[in-house]
Amino acid sequence: EVQLVESGGGLVQPGGSLRLSCEASGFTFSSYWMTWVRQAPGKGLEWVANINQDGSEKYYVDSVKGRFTISRDNAKNSLYLQMNSLRAEDTAVYYCAKEGSGSYHIDYWGPGTLVTVSS
Amino acid sequence: QSALTQPASVSGSPGQSITISCTGTSSDVGGYNYVSWYQQHPGKAPKLMIYDVSKRPSGVSNRFSGSKSGNTASLTISGLQAEDEADYYCSSHTSSSTLVFGGGTKLTVL
Repeated sequence: EVQLVESGGGLVQPGGSLRLSCEASGFTFSSYWMTWVRQAPGKGLEWVANINQDGSEKYYVDSVKGRFTISRDNAKNSLYLQMNSLRAEDTAVYYCAKEGSGSYHIDYWGPGTLVTVSS
Repeated sequence: QSALTQPASVSGSPGQSITISCTGTSSDVGGYNYVSWYQQHPGKAPKLMIYDVSKRPSGVSNRFSGSKSGNTASLTISGLQAEDEADYYCSSHTSSSTLVFGGGTKLTVL
């Protein structure tokens, strides 16, 4: 059974930093693209970033470029999102997600972790 | 990276069929057969319902179907059931090698 469990969320002041982690199990982690998606309170889904199997390709939504960094450790079956220079508009539930094989969709989602940026 | 356009809300009675549209551009929906649809119940993570425009993952009811014409994709739910009441989001691969979601549609089962 595929399981994705996020951690690292919490309350942070504007301008601060936070590192999210996602521990994966139930599949061969090193064989799949992985993704972060966020959802602001009461709002829709927003794709944030993704990373390929060996970490050599990374893509970001324009609003986080230069501030967020996606990475992975295949030996630890873990995905990360380093978030710097946080803004109030980054407040959201952040979902770790696994992409499907040979296509561009998300087939499994974690339960999410809440990040609140506020003074 | 503009969001895909979905109606804010749709509704239908049990047993009826409804269709949710998802409009993009030739750089996303129209350019690739990589449209997917997600169902999200309140307080829960999204669930994949349709991928590659019209493919259903194992375990998803065949009451859910997808299609695409030009820059617009559609999700049809037939034989509406109370449990289908949820938010639905479309998504597409883009020419920038990113993913883009629609704004979401709230489905109400009357």
